[in-house]
Amino acid sequence: SQTIHQWPATLVQPVGSPLSLECTVEGTSNPNLYWYRQAAGRGLQLLFYSVGIGQISSEVPQNLSASRPQDRQFILSSKKLLLSDSGFYLCAWTRQGLASGTQYFGPGTRLLVL
Amino acid sequence: AQSVTQLGSHVSVSEGALVLLRCNYSSSVPPYLFWYVQYPNQGLQLLLKYTSAATLVKGINGFEAEFKKSETSFHLTKPSAHMSDAAEYFCAVKGGNEKLTFGTGTRLTIIP
Repeated sequence: SQTIHQWPATLVQPVGSPLSLECTVEGTSNPNLYWYRQAAGRGLQLLFYSVGIGQISSEVPQNLSASRPQDRQFILSSKKLLLSDSGFYLCAWTRQGLASGTQYFGPGTRLLVL
Repeated sequence: AQSVTQLGSHVSVSEGALVLLRCNYSSSVPPYLFWYVQYPNQGLQLLLKYTSAATLVKGINGFEAEFKKSETSFHLTKPSAHMSDAAEYFCAVKGGNEKLTFGTGTRLTIIP
């Protein structure tokens, strides 16, 4: 069976500090991978998605970047955090080539920027 | 392009009463539709999905949803609410690309 991991679970960072969130998927190969942000009391905002190693599509221009150094690893980064980067970050995967595109989500990372 | 509208950001029902969460969609291609549930500080869990096989879809935890093309709706129902159903529910649509478009969510509160 497939599992998706995210770490850390919780992070408190000062404004201006760097960020690195990691997501890994087990039990599948060549998945599509997604990063979402969920601000307090709001829905899901798609930030980035990737259909393969080194292939990143950005949905919203902002202070964040993503990388996919390995097939089942997806990293969300920032060089300098802003207060507005606070939120709940979710990683998801889907089986590539599956028409329905069902996405399966990780447990999330709660980020608080102070 | 695809979009989803969830009517009612907050819904309250009594324990044992019918749960009805509304979702209307817009899609330029035959859609795939999903309902997800999110408990506090957790990721999203798939409740059920419509993939054109049957218009009435049964999911986990006693939930079901009916796809109505004429109404462009995919409402989520459960005959009898349980306290454990209190959570946030998201409707989502997939069109012709690799992305899902999510609604803004409905927070369900169960009144004892």
